[in-house]
Amino acid sequence: AQSVTQPDARVTVSEGASLQLRCKYSYFGTPYLFWYVQYPRQGLQLLLKYYPGDPVVQGVNGFEAEFSKSNSSFHLRKASVHWSDWAVYFCAVSQDSNYQLIWGSGTKLIIKP
Amino acid sequence: EAAVTQSPRNKVAVTGGKVTLSCNQTNNHNNMYWYRQDTGHGLRLIHYSYGAGSTEKGDIPDGYKASRPSQENFSLILELATPSQTSVYFCASGDADWSAETLYFGSGTRLTVL
Repeated sequence: AQSVTQPDARVTVSEGASLQLRCKYSYFGTPYLFWYVQYPRQGLQLLLKYYPGDPVVQGVNGFEAEFSKSNSSFHLRKASVHWSDWAVYFCAVSQDSNYQLIWGSGTKLIIKP
Repeated sequence: EAAVTQSPRNKVAVTGGKVTLSCNQTNNHNNMYWYRQDTGHGLRLIHYSYGAGSTEKGDIPDGYKASRPSQENFSLILELATPSQTSVYFCASGDADWSAETLYFGSGTRLTVL
């Protein structure tokens, strides 16, 4: 069955440090993958999405993600985090059968000053 | 700018009561969704719609009904609310780009069932 796993419930990073949030997926075929961000007391908004093709996807606010078929991963990266990046980040994959999204459980990013 | 508005923002209901959560979108999107968000579960799909007059069951539809009377409006109805339905509910509209659809979310409704 298709699934998405975000193994880290919380990640703490110092402001200005680099970031990687992990996402592993289980999918037969070519996946469409997404990262969404949820800022405090807000709904989710799209950060970036992967179409089959270039494995590195650029998103908003300096975020990027890299698709790896061999590792079944779609990790999110940022070179230098800012306090405003404090949020919950969700990874998702689009199902083949009905295009509905399968969501990971989310990773809460905490920024240390 | 895509806009999805949910009301109310917060709701306290009693067990056995009827609750209606409302969602309005000005994006002219055909697809609309209702999710609930609980700690440790991420987002779970309750109902969705492909357009006015259509509703489909998602992954956890039991105890919920949905109504899509128009392109803009999509409601979630709890006929007999239970404490297990205490959660944060999100409505979203989708741009229907098939596998690459982008969802636009409202700010959520926090429902507490006592």
